[in-house]
Amino acid sequence: GQQLNQSPQSMFIQEGEDVSMNCTSSSIFNTWLWYKQDPGEGPVLLIALYKAGELTSNGRLTAQFGITRKDSFLNISASIPSDVGIYFCAGQLNGAQKLVFGQGTRLTINP
Amino acid sequence: GAGVSQSPSNKVTEKGKDVELRCDPISGHTALYWYRQSLGQGLEFLIYFQGNSAPDKSGLPSDRFSAERTGGSVSTLTIQRTQQEDSAVYLCASSPDTEAFFGQGTRLTVV
Repeated sequence: GQQLNQSPQSMFIQEGEDVSMNCTSSSIFNTWLWYKQDPGEGPVLLIALYKAGELTSNGRLTAQFGITRKDSFLNISASIPSDVGIYFCAGQLNGAQKLVFGQGTRLTINP
Repeated sequence: GAGVSQSPSNKVTEKGKDVELRCDPISGHTALYWYRQSLGQGLEFLIYFQGNSAPDKSGLPSDRFSAERTGGSVSTLTIQRTQQEDSAVYLCASSPDTEAFFGQGTRLTVV
């Protein structure tokens, strides 16, 4: 069954706007990862989170490991055209090594 | 390069033929994943190898799909008697522990 719910499925925003997306689960995770996929490429790791409550930034990107260990969010500030792509969350369930992935959030930026 | 390498990058095959897709993971990575991605869609988990453990084959869609990983390194995904619905991008990822690193993918077109 689906272990990670990622939302929204798609976003249409104006350049310069801030973006927020999240992943939730009914299960506890030990690790949260956020990836971005450009067209024709494989996903690339953006941010890795290892501790509950951890807040990590990478340039205009900020991600947090939820305190309950069942959710994570990714924020992008002041979006630019190159932010377009599909963003995936992923995580390791408590007691497991295999990564599970969310369904992805497709980000489109209107000119 | 030191990244995950997949070959071929593109493959066009006739319906009913068998195909083999290759993945060269990053040296020393114990875990290897195969995913399938239809155009603009999410990542569909296929199979997971972790060290010497039995692979997790729970995502393979039918018995036409199989994969092996020789010597804990190179992996081959085989699709027998290809069908048009097998057309997709097949992505491989390897991981030393938590963070997974993806290859560029193989775009398979069944005509």
